[in-house]
Formats: sequence, C-alpha cells, structure tokens
Amino acid sequence: GENVEQHPSTLSVQEGDSAVIKCTYSDSASNYFPWYKQELGKRPQLIIDIRSNVGEKKDQRIAVTLNKTAKHFSLHITETQPEDSAVYFCAASRSGNAGNMLTFGGGTRLMVKP
Amino acid sequence: NAGVTQTPKFRILKIGQSMTLQCTQDMNHNYMYWYRQDPGMGLKLIYYSVGAGITDKGEVPNGYNVSRSTTEDFPLRLELAAPSQTSVYFCASTDRGGVIQPQHFGDGTRLSIL
Repeated sequence: GENVEQHPSTLSVQEGDSAVIKCTYSDSASNYFPWYKQELGKRPQLIIDIRSNVGEKKDQRIAVTLNKTAKHFSLHITETQPEDSAVYFCAASRSGNAGNMLTFGGGTRLMVKP
Repeated sequence: NAGVTQTPKFRILKIGQSMTLQCTQDMNHNYMYWYRQDPGMGLKLIYYSVGAGITDKGEVPNGYNVSRSTTEDFPLRLELAAPSQTSVYFCASTDRGGVIQPQHFGDGTRLSIL
C-alpha cells in the first residue's frame, strides 16, 4: 500500500519568515495530494490540495509543489503569522482505490514566533 | 448544513465496557471514514464505507466494528474497551465522483479508557 513520509516533525520560524514542509510518497499511481491544518483540539481542515496533472498551486500565502518523478510534494507558507501555528498533515490518494482512501503523513508541528 | 457531526465529544470508559461513537453527515456523501489519532501522531484509518450496506477494513480495524444502514450514518462500535484504544476518533466523508474530492472531518470524539 501507499506510504507517506513527512519532514520535519517540528518546525520553528520567526514571524514573517517562510516555512517549508516536505512529503514523499511510495505509490507512483497516487494522483491527489491534500494538505490539512489542525489546530490544538480541533478537526483537520483542508487548506490546499493538488492533483497530479499540475506541478504547482497557490492560494494567497500558501503554495504546494509536486514532483511526480521524485514522488515528493511540498507545502510552502510565506510571510508566516502566529495564527499559522498548528500541526500540518500531508496525504496521498489515487483514483480507483476503493473509497478514495487517504494515507496521511505523520504531521509537522509549526511554531511561528512573534 | 451541519456537515459531519460526531457525538459524544468526550467520553471516559472503563476497561471492558462497550460504546458506540456516532457519526452523521448531511451532505449526501457516499464515502465515509473512521480515523483514530493518537497523541502527537497522524491519522490512521480504522474502517471505511463506500455506501449504505458496504463497509471495509482500514489499517487498524482490530477491536472495532462498523455498520452503514443509511447514507447519513456511520457508527463505530467498541465492544471490549482496552487502554490502547484511548485516542481521538475522527469521522470524515466525501463525495463519490470521477475526480477525488476532499474529505470533510467532524470535530472528533476524545475517548479515554481507564
């Protein structure tokens, strides 16, 4: 089955700096890659996703890049703010697997220092 | 439109007790999922369902059972609670389609077994 590795497990940045979180996946057939943000005690919330037919997607201060050849994808947050502090999870899935199941990475705890 | 609703939000069980975690969604989604999230870890899939009357095991199904008698409801049953089942449980749903759709999560049930 699919295996998703996520790095780093913790990341501390100064407010205004950029943050980058990287994930690798094992199943070359995976074609959907969402990123979720989870604040303490809350549900995971989708912040951005990318499909394998594009290499990059942006939404204001957040961007995701995908390298299908190397089987890795990354989340980029620019101009970080204290409210960006949370745990971020990457995930992977592929069309055709029963139920469109997601395989999640282990998470990255992002701390933005004011 | 409430999305995915989980009850209860918190519960403490004694070893050997049983309980049912409730999950209901009002988005008419075909696919539903149960995950567990241990402290500081990612989400692991327990069971999933692709429609009423159809369920299947995920990565960590031992000690759990599910049913899906309606499109809206997907309860998770713990028959003999064990300390290893102390976790936060999330239910999620998504629509079936030619393109994978994002999963929507409930607020979670925090379960402690003592």
